[in-house]
Amino acid sequence: EAGVTQFPSHSVIEKGQTVTLRCDPISGHDNLYWYRRVMGKEIKFLLHFVKESKQDESGMPNNRFLAERTGGTYSTLKVQPAELEDSGVYFCASSQVTEAFFGQGTRLTVV
Amino acid sequence: QKEVEQNSGPLSVPEGAIASLNCTYSDRVSQSFFWYRQYSGKSPELIMSIYSNGDKEDGRFTAQLNKASQYVSLLIRDSQPSDSATYLCAAINSGGYNKLIFGAGTRLAVHP
Repeated sequence: EAGVTQFPSHSVIEKGQTVTLRCDPISGHDNLYWYRRVMGKEIKFLLHFVKESKQDESGMPNNRFLAERTGGTYSTLKVQPAELEDSGVYFCASSQVTEAFFGQGTRLTVV
Repeated sequence: QKEVEQNSGPLSVPEGAIASLNCTYSDRVSQSFFWYRQYSGKSPELIMSIYSNGDKEDGRFTAQLNKASQYVSLLIRDSQPSDSATYLCAAINSGGYNKLIFGAGTRLAVHP
């Protein structure tokens, strides 16, 4: 069974540019989560989808971040325009109930 | 107090010893806890979950939950160099929706 996959694994962009991260959850998992780890800090929750609906987006830092999950399958997280403080590792996770399984993350560097 | 707290380490143990990793939590999390192992540059890998007071064993791993004292621990028996990684303690936020709250992680180093 394929795990959670994320694309790209690394992205380096300039301040002000746009980046789109993609996450493919484990097949059959209705719950999809985005988390972020910035340098030296804990992994922090960003948002949670149940199928295609946003269940909780309380962790989204500001309106430069937009997440979608069309059709309840894969999800995208767009950062527009990117700022220096957006640098970090963005993780996606999926679950059927409570146990969440993580992807390998996308390391985003904004220069 | 942070919702989930861990000592960042590093915790250094000799090969074959028992590694004991600890985590404390506040009232702002629910009673569902998880231990993830993360190798450098890799995804967090779920190794144990625990929901009830007491011990839960799986191979060389034992998770312990003490609700009265609000701590969760992970014991690794017969530690191997391949166990060297960062161990993340996580709890589900009490606000619902299964949002995970993570500790900072404890770096474990098992030396031959």
